[in-house]
Amino acid sequence: QEQLVESGGGVVQPGRSLRLSCAASGFNFRAFSMHWVRQAPGKGLEWVAFIAYDGSNENFAGSVKGRFTISRDNSENTVFLQMNSLSAEDTAVYYCAREVRNGYDYFDLWGQGTLVTVSS
Amino acid sequence: QSVLTQPPSVSGAPGQRVTISCTGSNSNIGAGYDVHWYQQLPGTAPKVLIYGDNTRPSGVPDRFSGSKSGTSASLAITGLQAEDEADYYCQSYDRRLSGWMFGGGTRLTVL
Repeated sequence: QEQLVESGGGVVQPGRSLRLSCAASGFNFRAFSMHWVRQAPGKGLEWVAFIAYDGSNENFAGSVKGRFTISRDNSENTVFLQMNSLSAEDTAVYYCAREVRNGYDYFDLWGQGTLVTVSS
Repeated sequence: QSVLTQPPSVSGAPGQRVTISCTGSNSNIGAGYDVHWYQQLPGTAPKVLIYGDNTRPSGVPDRFSGSKSGTSASLAITGLQAEDEADYYCQSYDRRLSGWMFGGGTRLTVL
């Protein structure tokens, strides 16, 4: 079945870096644009980053621009989120999500999320 | 603070109808961008309920409906059931911020 599985979360000190991965299976990964969405503890959803299906275009939320990068390996069916200069405000569950291909721009498939805790 | 504003909470008795509003601006909903709605049950990832303002994906009960007018959108839930108790989020695109945006979320309590 179609599935997204995130990994790479954990506890990291402020100012350090962390790289998240999202492995896709059960669908033609290279045909879909992908996003990262995060949710701080007890808070709402926040869109973080986007990468086009072929990696030709990227976009970031203002809160992470210049600190986070997004990439993908279509041969490995994986999307990555490189997070640098982390602060406590980046503590959240990070979800990867698939953008539909039906002309709309919503997210129809989500992973289970990986928790990132920034703390000294 | 979200550019899409939702009430923090709504509640209703079983069988009743509730609505959740999502208020945006001329750079998102008012600019014609689609509004989508998600349901997030405790401890789980969000699931799309409504896309393209008012379309239900297959498998979503017709108790859920969406509408949009001007710079606002609404999610209506009729025949409330205990299993509807969850957090609900609207989502759209904002051209000023050049990104996808979520509302702050609304917690639905079934009394």
